[in-house]
Amino acid sequence: EAGVAQSPRYKIIEKRQSVAFWCNPISGHATLYWYQQILGQGPKLLIQFQNNGVVDDSQLPKDRFSAERLKGVDSTLKIQPAKLEDSAVYLCASSLGQGRSQETQYFGPGTRLLVL
Amino acid sequence: AQSVTQLGSHVSVSEGALVLLRCNYSSSVPPYLFWYVQYPNQGLQLLLKYTSAATLVKGINGFEAEFKKSETSFHLTKPSAHMSDAAEYFCAVSDRKAGTALIFGKGTTLSVSS
Repeated sequence: EAGVAQSPRYKIIEKRQSVAFWCNPISGHATLYWYQQILGQGPKLLIQFQNNGVVDDSQLPKDRFSAERLKGVDSTLKIQPAKLEDSAVYLCASSLGQGRSQETQYFGPGTRLLVL
Repeated sequence: AQSVTQLGSHVSVSEGALVLLRCNYSSSVPPYLFWYVQYPNQGLQLLLKYTSAATLVKGINGFEAEFKKSETSFHLTKPSAHMSDAAEYFCAVSDRKAGTALIFGKGTTLSVSS
């Protein structure tokens, strides 16, 4: 079974530039998450999708971050304009999406972003 | 709101020694609890999870964790450390009321020396 795919793996940009990350979840997984992991901290949820609808985006900085999952499969996370403090690893995860809190989330390898 | 505290940002053990990584949660209602491992430049991999079926949970790679409601703890142990266990370990909780997203601790880096 293929895992969660993410691209690119690494990205270096200058502040005020824009950047986009892509995620392809495990086939058949209805729920998709984007987490931000700043160096030395645990991952923090940015946004959660159930199929193509947003379940929770309360911690997404909406003035600069946006995300979509148009067909309920792939997802894109965008930052525009980027700030220095956005330097982090962006992790995508997916789960079956049966609405149970004990569901296992499967994580991709992450995209490491450095903003200069 | 739920929170997770991992005591000790860095734990060092010798190969063959006991591994003990500590995790405490804050909740008035027992949550679901998870331990994930992260190897360098990789995503997170589930080690084990507590879903109220049994208080002692066995996971992959010889790890296990015991849920103790009275201590609000879910410490991770392994009887004998191996060099390949060197990684970062995250304890996480999901809130049955708030949904399925995970709330993570800050992580503990495990170093294993020969």
